[in-house]
Amino acid sequence: QKEVEQDPGPLSVPEGAIVSLNCTYSNSAFQYFMWYRQYSRKGPELLMYTYSSGNKEDGRFTAQVDKSSKYISLFIRDSQPSDSATYLCAAWYSSASKIIFGSGTRLSIRP
Amino acid sequence: EPEVTQTPSHQVTQMGQEVILRCVPISNHLYFYWYRQILGQKVEFLVSFYNNEISEKSEIFDDQFSVERPDGSNFTLKIRSTKLEDSAMYFCASRDRGDSPLHFGNGTRLTVT
Repeated sequence: QKEVEQDPGPLSVPEGAIVSLNCTYSNSAFQYFMWYRQYSRKGPELLMYTYSSGNKEDGRFTAQVDKSSKYISLFIRDSQPSDSATYLCAAWYSSASKIIFGSGTRLSIRP
Repeated sequence: EPEVTQTPSHQVTQMGQEVILRCVPISNHLYFYWYRQILGQKVEFLVSFYNNEISEKSEIFDDQFSVERPDGSNFTLKIRSTKLEDSAMYFCASRDRGDSPLHFGNGTRLTVT
């Protein structure tokens, strides 16, 4: 079983729509959760970083973590064509050195 | 905003040759990483480095791979004898504390022919 699972998509939505991206994870020891955005042939760019369960909002982006169901979500409001990218969820626990990534969801926002 | 810088952006090499990928992490960061991403696949952990030694390495990081922090600013990944399957994007990342997120460079695209 993969430690972090993510639907690869692709996901295509019209401009202005609310986007919901999701991941599940298997390791209950994970405490820190991240969302990265990756444009083609670029490095992952940190979008959101959360600790344990709860919500975190930053502009048009909201990250949610539900540790009871091992579910991580990213919501994008008022989506823009510039949001078209691959979105990577990631998780780790403080005693470990490495971050585990999901496979990424490719998102396309249609003008 | 400080960033992780990687050179070269693209490296082409012949099978069996040695390559060194270079990274300059963010200046006050203490933890350093290499990840790789084969085209169309997920970002995979290779190795982590802290306090001048390897903290953890994956099964991908075999005897052909090595890392070094030769001075206070650079962090390098060496592949001794490249194979075709080493072709990938290699990302360097760093963070300042044990509980802070990783910041990535834009990667080196390695093509082995």
